[in-house]
Amino acid sequence: DAKTTQPPSMDCAEGRAANLPCNHSTISGNEYVYWYRQIHSQGPQYIIHGLKNNETNEMASLIITEDRKSSTLILPHATLRDTAVYYCIVRVDSSASKIIFGSGTRLSIRP
Amino acid sequence: DAGVIQSPRHEVTEMGQEVTLRCKPISGHDYLFWYRQTMMRGLELLIYFNNNVPIDDSGMPEDRFSAKMPNASFSTLKIQPSEPRDSAVYFCASRPTGGAGYEQYFGPGTRLTVT
Repeated sequence: DAKTTQPPSMDCAEGRAANLPCNHSTISGNEYVYWYRQIHSQGPQYIIHGLKNNETNEMASLIITEDRKSSTLILPHATLRDTAVYYCIVRVDSSASKIIFGSGTRLSIRP
Repeated sequence: DAGVIQSPRHEVTEMGQEVTLRCKPISGHDYLFWYRQTMMRGLELLIYFNNNVPIDDSGMPEDRFSAKMPNASFSTLKIQPSEPRDSAVYFCASRPTGGAGYEQYFGPGTRLTVT
């Protein structure tokens, strides 16, 4: 599996867009980029995933660079409830469905 | 949809005692995963099942740990004997076969403290 690199922590003002980067320079052509988050004292929560194209859902947008070596998760209007650890995960989408969590980015939203 | 259910939510036990953690996956989900989370090691996959069969238990730390899935709606993770270093939050997750590979649904976790 491709290794990912994320900044250990970030902060963002409430109401602003939070942009969380992830580097995955060794990603293979058939590997997807997934994002999960974990709010304090809760289990991880799936956010979004993508292969090549940018993706958007009700929670966030995922921007993947053309060479696929990095991506950015965008929370368009961050709220205090978005304070969490965000995990970027790269893996082939196969029946061997293990998730290997790295250390993630601790995002703090300030009022 | 009740989500993944875990019990107990908190468990405090003494070293040497047997501990059993329980999980009820979301109905219809064919995969079940057990994870452990500590400050030192982060979130680690211990074992996962597909259709009640253990597929990969390479993350199980040692023989003191065992997991079973007797039917599609119930799984247990047992630690015998427990040790203080087993103190952690244990998560159970499930997903359907037809879902995206990593769209796993996590339970609220069981916080285990071994004294």
